[in-house]
Amino acid sequence: ETGVTQTPRHLVMGMTNKKSLKCEQHLGHNAMYWYKQSAKKPLELMFVYNFKEQTENNSVPSRFSPECPNSSHLFLHLHTLQPEDSALYLCASSQRGSSGGLETQYFGPGTRLLVL
Amino acid sequence: QKEVEQNSGPLSVPEGAIASLNCTYSDRGSQSFFWYRQYSGKSPELIMSIYSNGDKEDGRFTAQLNKASQYVSLLIRDSQPSDSATYLCAVNKSGGSNYKLTFGKGTLLTVNP
Repeated sequence: ETGVTQTPRHLVMGMTNKKSLKCEQHLGHNAMYWYKQSAKKPLELMFVYNFKEQTENNSVPSRFSPECPNSSHLFLHLHTLQPEDSALYLCASSQRGSSGGLETQYFGPGTRLLVL
Repeated sequence: QKEVEQNSGPLSVPEGAIASLNCTYSDRGSQSFFWYRQYSGKSPELIMSIYSNGDKEDGRFTAQLNKASQYVSLLIRDSQPSDSATYLCAVNKSGGSNYKLTFGKGTLLTVNP
């Protein structure tokens, strides 16, 4: 496996279900991110983890719960979601402290989530 | 005012022409700027990054940055049908430890054979 991988690629869940999204980065990076991409909207940053510590929670509802057990793995636990949470959820990683300030984020393929 | 603004398009150009994609941003403290390409149903992939005023060229792509005007653009020379995608402008708002990317909605580019 190379780059950033995400599983599952597609997920359909009911509003009462509990599910988890998984992200793994194989780039040796130390920062990981969750983004939400809805139709007709910009990519929205949800959470940022730097060296396994959460450094950003962009006013995300508590029905989304991130977990970062180590710098290579990131989870997004989902519980009692709403239909408006249906979107593409993207994971990204980057290397903090890169020279020149150009910290580039690399994205995984995303999980397409449909909440019924 | 939106933080990062892009014309949503669609921008339609003939094959072989130059495609010009524009982006403006509101935060004068922004330091790094990125262009991502996103094919339909796929994840964004990095095309160009720039942080100094002026032009930066990479193959058929040229990024242009003007911090005084808070403007960044992407030129694609000799456009190919395979360049048809949504192009996302992303801005890193500040340096130090807060590397937060803010994205525009993207511009849909269609290159006609």
